[in-house]
Amino acid sequence: DSGVTQTPKHLITATGQRVTLRCSPRSGDLSVYWYQQSLDQGLQFLIQYYNGEERAKGNILERFSAQQFPDLHSELNLSSLELGDSALYFCASSLGGLETQYFGPGTRLLVL
Amino acid sequence: EDQVTQSPEALRLQEGESSSLNCSYTVSGLRGLFWYRQDPGKGPEFLFTLYSAGEEKEKERLKATLTKKESFLHITAPKPEDSATYLCAVPWNTDKLIFGTGTRLQVFP
Repeated sequence: DSGVTQTPKHLITATGQRVTLRCSPRSGDLSVYWYQQSLDQGLQFLIQYYNGEERAKGNILERFSAQQFPDLHSELNLSSLELGDSALYFCASSLGGLETQYFGPGTRLLVL
Repeated sequence: EDQVTQSPEALRLQEGESSSLNCSYTVSGLRGLFWYRQDPGKGPEFLFTLYSAGEEKEKERLKATLTKKESFLHITAPKPEDSATYLCAVPWNTDKLIFGTGTRLQVFP
């Protein structure tokens, strides 16, 4: 158990819908990272927050957004969902910058 | 372009048959290299961090080594429970991790 929690574990929705994925980092960690993992793309970095502020952005679509709240939990919002958004979404946390990132169990999203 | 390449893509071993997995990288100014293990449908599990050429770290049947251009994950006398996908990653730009596509290891009894 990494100490990072993610909810929900599974999510099934339809195209065009909007969903919210939630992540709670390990106690004491200030950085939260979001990754997408699909069969043909591997693990892709989406976005990082550090102590409430956006710190780095990767290949995140404009339809996707995230935020980190004062209690350091983070939410990833996915809107106007498409079939291709079906994937595993992982959250990771670390103390700050280059320290080790610890991953949560993931949310499996299926868009029908 | 900075990138991380892992080989082989897949590896089948008999129980007890030692082997090595390779991770080569082209990022300049390496600020660490991370190894993770991932079971199907689960989140990556942290194994090792290496920071400088010549560094080695061990955990049970696994040993990770680092040179200036690549890292090796040596698996000694593997067991079926070592079957998983092994991922390596390097930091790029800020704190973003670039992951390789992984080596899928299967160990048969």
